[in-house]
Amino acid sequence: DGGITQSPKYLFRKEGQNVTLSCEQNLNHDAMYWYRQDPGQGLRLIYYSQIVNDFQKGDIAEGYSVSREKKESFPLTVTSAQKNPTAFYLCASSMRQAATDTQYFGPGTRLTVL
Amino acid sequence: RKEVEQDPGPFNVPEGATVAFNCTYSNSASQSFFWYRQDCRKEPKLLMSVYSSGNEDGRFTAQLNRASQYISLLIRDSKLSDSATYLCVGGDNYGQNFVFGPGTRLSVLP
Repeated sequence: DGGITQSPKYLFRKEGQNVTLSCEQNLNHDAMYWYRQDPGQGLRLIYYSQIVNDFQKGDIAEGYSVSREKKESFPLTVTSAQKNPTAFYLCASSMRQAATDTQYFGPGTRLTVL
Repeated sequence: RKEVEQDPGPFNVPEGATVAFNCTYSNSASQSFFWYRQDCRKEPKLLMSVYSSGNEDGRFTAQLNRASQYISLLIRDSKLSDSATYLCVGGDNYGQNFVFGPGTRLSVLP
């Protein structure tokens, strides 16, 4: 089955710890994205990547880092510098980074900081 | 700030009703628009793209008015399973500015 997978589904972190959220896609999509969603709010873009070894900051990149070493993988690290990391994190991919290309989402990771 | 705005609702409607959602966008460079559906605690899923000429998919009709920078979604003959949050999305030519609206929550009641 083609699709996007994210792991873990739920993640608990102590304050001051870095955590890495996994995102993998086997759709052969070039572009990948990370979004954050807070309760009752829309999605906000954290980082995006058009091709391997290249990525750009989105609207709320502070406190986050990413890598794109492989086309199918785009992990997100939530660092201790992120002041309010508790949220629902969604990874998406699209064929290209073009306005006409639909984004497909993974099932998300719920991060809770204890 | 490029923004997409939606009426947050909630819209509580009886089964069989027709309901319309509106969405406005402030970035005149936006070229492509989509409606996504998001169930509680799940990921958004594409409902339909919005074309300039308007488009229909079964009970769902999407309209775009570029002059007024306005998008709409009409749901006819509402089903209980239509209960969800509907997200409006606008993107510019470069695909770098996919902006999601905050969503409109719909509850279809028996």
